[in-house]
Amino acid sequence: GNSVTQMEGPVTLSEEAFLTINCTYTATGYPSLFWYVQYPGEGLQLLLKATKADDKGSNKGFEATYRKETTSFHLEKGSVQVSDSAVYFCALFEYNFNKFYFGSGTKLNVKP
Amino acid sequence: NAGVMQNPRHLVRRRGQEARLRCSPMKGHSHVYWYRQLPEEGLKFMVYLQKENIIDESGMPKERFSAEFPKEGPSILRIQQVVRGDSAAYFCASSPPDYPRETQYFGPGTRLLVL
Repeated sequence: GNSVTQMEGPVTLSEEAFLTINCTYTATGYPSLFWYVQYPGEGLQLLLKATKADDKGSNKGFEATYRKETTSFHLEKGSVQVSDSAVYFCALFEYNFNKFYFGSGTKLNVKP
Repeated sequence: NAGVMQNPRHLVRRRGQEARLRCSPMKGHSHVYWYRQLPEEGLKFMVYLQKENIIDESGMPKERFSAEFPKEGPSILRIQQVVRGDSAAYFCASSPPDYPRETQYFGPGTRLLVL
């Protein structure tokens, strides 16, 4: 079947620390992979995406590489800011079923 | 352009009551999707609607749940005779016509608590 597993939170970092949020997936076809971010009180916003193996998605200093061999799409940022505090969701879109499958979300707290 | 709007943002119901969740898509969007997020789990697809049509309801529970997207007005997710297990966050997303289904814009969600 299709599923997404991401590391449990909360993750607490100091400002300017390096961030990694792990995400692995299982899929029956050839999905596209996404990271969404949810700030307090708001809806999920698309952060970045990758549509095929070895693609790298990037946005606002965040990046993730679609690794088919390890079925992973880990989110990284070299230097986090307090304003990055949010919940991050990893997701895949499976074209055979025309559906999104989401991970359970990882809460990130960045302290000044 | 206002984003996807959902109301209420928080809803408390007692067991056996009805819950009505509303979703107003972004302007110009004619496709609406509903997702449910149970505690400690990811968002799970429930239903996909276009104006006046249910396109895919494969994720909807067979009983007590229904959804509509009328020609005028918001999309409604209706839960009859709520039970404690219905307590969750319900997210709505919308997309414009002629865009691939993975292009979805999400609302802030409605947190339903069943006492």
